[in-house]
Amino acid sequence: DIQMTQSPSSLSASVGDRVSITCQASQDISKNLNWYQQKPGKAPKFLIYDASNLETGVPSRFSGSGSGTDFTLTISSLQPEDIATYYCQHYDNLSPSLTFGGGTKVEIK
Amino acid sequence: QVQLVQSGAEVKKPGSSVRVSCKASGGTFSNSGISWVRQAPGQGLEWMGGIIPFFGSAKYAQKFQGRVTISTDDSTNTSYMDLTSLRSEDTAVYYCARVSGSWLDPWGQGTLVTVSA
Repeated sequence: DIQMTQSPSSLSASVGDRVSITCQASQDISKNLNWYQQKPGKAPKFLIYDASNLETGVPSRFSGSGSGTDFTLTISSLQPEDIATYYCQHYDNLSPSLTFGGGTKVEIK
Repeated sequence: QVQLVQSGAEVKKPGSSVRVSCKASGGTFSNSGISWVRQAPGQGLEWMGGIIPFFGSAKYAQKFQGRVTISTDDSTNTSYMDLTSLRSEDTAVYYCARVSGSWLDPWGQGTLVTVSA
């Protein structure tokens, strides 16, 4: 089974800072990697698909990059409303199965 | 725009079963798929299984094989997740989500299942 490892598990940054979250796959997954944002007490919200494509309506300060085994979610200028936990997710269409990373909690310093 | 509305919170005894429903409005599951994901208190997201039209039947995470059944009723646009032999570790919020391509969107609001003697 493919494992997804996120880092860091949590981070604290100031409003306006550039924030990066990484997700590493245990084997090559091409660009089959999606990102979600989950605010406390809410369901996850879909942000980015296929590593770098922004879902409609997602602010442009969010971006995704990477392929193969290493991926990054970047928030170019952190805003108070971005306080949330972020998850990466891979879909294995051979199994089929979904695997989530462990999550990265983003807080304001 | 598809919206998913889940059934209400449940409190169950250890050893019992629970059924959580997920009704789609503004669309159907028949052309996409449905997945169920759970989140234990303070923990991350865990995929339980789902129905992918291409495969024609439900697929389950190995951890839940034999204890979970996921089904859909196309006549009512409703998906069900049945979990048996409940234990305290099954206390979690259970989410349904539509499978779109390789991602999950939208998600239901979540259903808290509490397992307690």
